[in-house]
Amino acid sequence: EVQLVQSGAEVKKPGESLKISCKGSGYSFTSYWIGWVRQMPGKGLEWMGIIYPGDSDTRYSPSFQGQVTISADKSISTAYLQWSSLKASDTAMYYCARLEGGYYYTFDYWGQGTLVTVSS
Amino acid sequence: SSELTQDPAVSVALGQTVRITCQGDSLRSYYASWYQQKPGQAPVLVIYGKNNRPSGIPDRFSGSSSGNTASLTITGAQAEDEADYYCNSRDSSGNRGVFGGGTKLTVL
Repeated sequence: EVQLVQSGAEVKKPGESLKISCKGSGYSFTSYWIGWVRQMPGKGLEWMGIIYPGDSDTRYSPSFQGQVTISADKSISTAYLQWSSLKASDTAMYYCARLEGGYYYTFDYWGQGTLVTVSS
Repeated sequence: SSELTQDPAVSVALGQTVRITCQGDSLRSYYASWYQQKPGQAPVLVIYGKNNRPSGIPDRFSGSSSGNTASLTITGAQAEDEADYYCNSRDSSGNRGVFGGGTKLTVL
């Protein structure tokens, strides 16, 4: 059974750094892209970026390029989303999802989400 | 602004058929995927490709595409179908993705 399990909720102050995680199991972690999706409170889904754990090829949406860093450690089947200096506007639910990156380019399995709250 | 455009809200009477649409130039070249999201839950894939349903998705959900418009059709809408629906595809570059703004479906 394919599963993506994300790290728990975080409460941070503006300016702090943060790294959240997404652990894949039940499939070959290095053979599928992993993507990150933001959902701000009461808003829609936003495509942030993807990483291919097999070779760490990473692609960012222009809206998120330079704002976050996506990485992966294939030895422990885990992808990460990282901020160096959080802002209040980073408050959101963040989902990881497995991307079928070939013909269909679809997110077929999703994590449960990690709620990030940034407040002074 | 999103490269994929959806109507913000659609309603349907219980048991009737509803179509939710998604427009964008990239849909002329790439298929759309559709996701259902209920309050407090992660999105769930319901349709991908030409008209493919993942295991466990009822056959009342179907997809189609014409020109720059992709459509999700629910034939015989049920109360449990009330949710937000998002389309998703590659963006104009082809190397990244994009979501539509989402459609809130109300089942009356």
